[in-house]
Amino acid sequence: DIQMTQSPSSLSASVGDRVTITCRASQSISSYLNWYQQKSGKAPKLLIFAASILQSGVPSRFSGSGSGTDFTLTISSLQPEDFATYYCQQSYSTLWTFGQGTKVEIK
Amino acid sequence: QVQLVQSGAEMKKPGASVKVSCKASGYTFTNYLIHWVRQAPGQRLEWMGWISAANGNTKYSQKFQGRVTITRDTSATTAYMELSSLRSEDTAVFYCARASCSGDSCLDNWGQGTLVTVSS
Repeated sequence: DIQMTQSPSSLSASVGDRVTITCRASQSISSYLNWYQQKSGKAPKLLIFAASILQSGVPSRFSGSGSGTDFTLTISSLQPEDFATYYCQQSYSTLWTFGQGTKVEIK
Repeated sequence: QVQLVQSGAEMKKPGASVKVSCKASGYTFTNYLIHWVRQAPGQRLEWMGWISAANGNTKYSQKFQGRVTITRDTSATTAYMELSSLRSEDTAVFYCARASCSGDSCLDNWGQGTLVTVSS
């Protein structure tokens, strides 16, 4: 299976901060990389697909980049509603895998 | 609007099986794949497998192969996930989700989740 590793596992940030989360695949996955946001007790929500395409309805402060093995999710100006756990997920292989998650907490 | 509504929480004993349903509405059911994802308490999301609502073809994670069966009923626009030989480590929230994006490569709509508790 393709392993997905996120860093950091958690971070503390303030409202208005720029936040960057990275995701590394154990082999090249082209641009088959999605990002999800999960709030406590809720189902995940798709933010970005194909590494950099913003899902409809998602605020433009979210952006994604990367290809091959290294990917980044950026929140340009953190808002109170963005405190959550973020997961990357690869769909290059027929056997999908998720990263371990990055918890974004209030500083 | 697209909705996936899952069945309610379950409590099972070790060794038993559980079957979770996922009722789809707001779109043409047979045009999409449905995936299942497991999340144990405090753990990462784990992909379990998918089913084509059109033809019933399935693909399972090797981790769950032999214990999981995903089916669908097109007349009821409902997908099902059955997990057998339950153990305490299977205590988790199970989600269904619709595959979308180019090549069915992302999960754009999710059910609300079903908590399955395995305990003697």
